Amino acid sequence: DTGVSQDPRHKITKRGQNVTFRCDPISEHNRLYWYRQTLGQGPEFLTYFQNEAQLEKSRLLSDRFSAERPKGSFSTLEIQRTEQGDSAMYLCASSLVKGGTVGVGEQYFGPGTRLTVT
Amino acid sequence: KQEVTQIPAALSVPEGENLVLNCSFTDSAIYNLQWFRQDPGKGLTSLLLIQSSQREQTSGRLNASLDKSSGRSTLYIAASQPGDSATYLCAVGAFSGGSNYKLTFGKGTLLTVNP
Repeated sequence: DTGVSQDPRHKITKRGQNVTFRCDPISEHNRLYWYRQTLGQGPEFLTYFQNEAQLEKSRLLSDRFSAERPKGSFSTLEIQRTEQGDSAMYLCASSLVKGGTVGVGEQYFGPGTRLTVT
Repeated sequence: KQEVTQIPAALSVPEGENLVLNCSFTDSAIYNLQWFRQDPGKGLTSLLLIQSSQREQTSGRLNASLDKSSGRSTLYIAASQPGDSATYLCAVGAFSGGSNYKLTFGKGTLLTVNP
């Protein structure tokens, strides 16, 4: 069993370009989360999916950000018209929520994608 | 809005010392609390998860306690080693709007263990 993987690990882009990140969760996990972490701060919640449904989005997720999880497996996070303020580490995490309860399992994080907007 | 504070922001200790990292949170209506370790430029590694009904959890040299009513958690590291050097993050898990669960993180404590 592999853990959570993210691709690419590093991305340098020019302001105004679009970028897309991919996250592959642990295979049996049904919840997938995206967080953003800037230097010296803890991660901040962006959005999460239960299977393929996107259930909550943070106010941090502006209209330039969109996330998908089309088949309830991997997820993509796209940032359009990148700005320098988007430079951060983008972290993905997954967990298992067992059916019929609101119990949530431990979140397991991927290695992150470091975005630098120049 | 939940706020999580970690004290100290940085800590430097000699190898072999026992140490305590502190975490406080403002809203006691939590579901669980998770401690993570983060190495520079890397993702997060889960260390311990404490459910709101529990008082403590132990894993090897690590012991985490939770006092939900006072909004505090501590992470105790016994016999520290240079390999323990990392940033330690505390994250509070809670529900909002029904079944929407998410973690709220502190800024972390940067630990340096000197050989």
